[in-house]
Amino acid sequence: DADVTQTPRNRITKTGKRIMLECSQTKGHDRMYWYRQDPGLGLRLIYYSFDVKDINKGEISDGYSVSRQAQAKFSLSLESAIPNQTALYFCATSDYSGTVLQETQYFGPGTRLLVL
Amino acid sequence: RKEVEQDPGPFNVPEGATVAFNCTYSNSASQSFFWYRQDCRKEPKLLMSVYSSGNEDGRFTAQLNRASQYISLLIRDSKLSDSATYLCVVIPSGSARQLTFGSGTQLTVLP
Repeated sequence: DADVTQTPRNRITKTGKRIMLECSQTKGHDRMYWYRQDPGLGLRLIYYSFDVKDINKGEISDGYSVSRQAQAKFSLSLESAIPNQTALYFCATSDYSGTVLQETQYFGPGTRLLVL
Repeated sequence: RKEVEQDPGPFNVPEGATVAFNCTYSNSASQSFFWYRQDCRKEPKLLMSVYSSGNEDGRFTAQLNRASQYISLLIRDSKLSDSATYLCVVIPSGSARQLTFGSGTQLTVLP
């Protein structure tokens, strides 16, 4: 089984709808992240969480909210979806241990979202 | 100016060729550097970290040039399976440790 899972894998929704993307991990990592990827723009950080009680905005948090329900679960919500939120969304976890060079981010398989 | 810039390519090379990618970063205080690989329509995966002294992992060599603020990835004896997009990743200084991704360089290795 995959260590980082995302549901749904694909979603089509309409402008104005509220949707939730879910992420679960079995790696036991404290740090979790949500990114979006758009062609030519690379991955951009939406929100990140270093533990259950810690939520931080990333580069592009407007229009999004998150919930860290447990160490293993981190959900991303689009309160009122708009077409320019059409993108590939990735959840990731990190094994950061306090050493500068010892960090790997592990990504889920992604959710393809189309907002009509 | 983008914080992390990469030549998007595509780089089309024959099997067995040597190919090199560069990546420039704007924050001189950046402290951690990585190369990630992303196959088409898949998630990114860590390829290798980039150390100050340079490092090698099989056919892959990564170099860091702090003075000129760039990192490089060299792939020797290219294989068909090396076809992917290579993402340059930089972590600036500070406690947030937010990864900043380049937009990627696309490599296609041709038979």
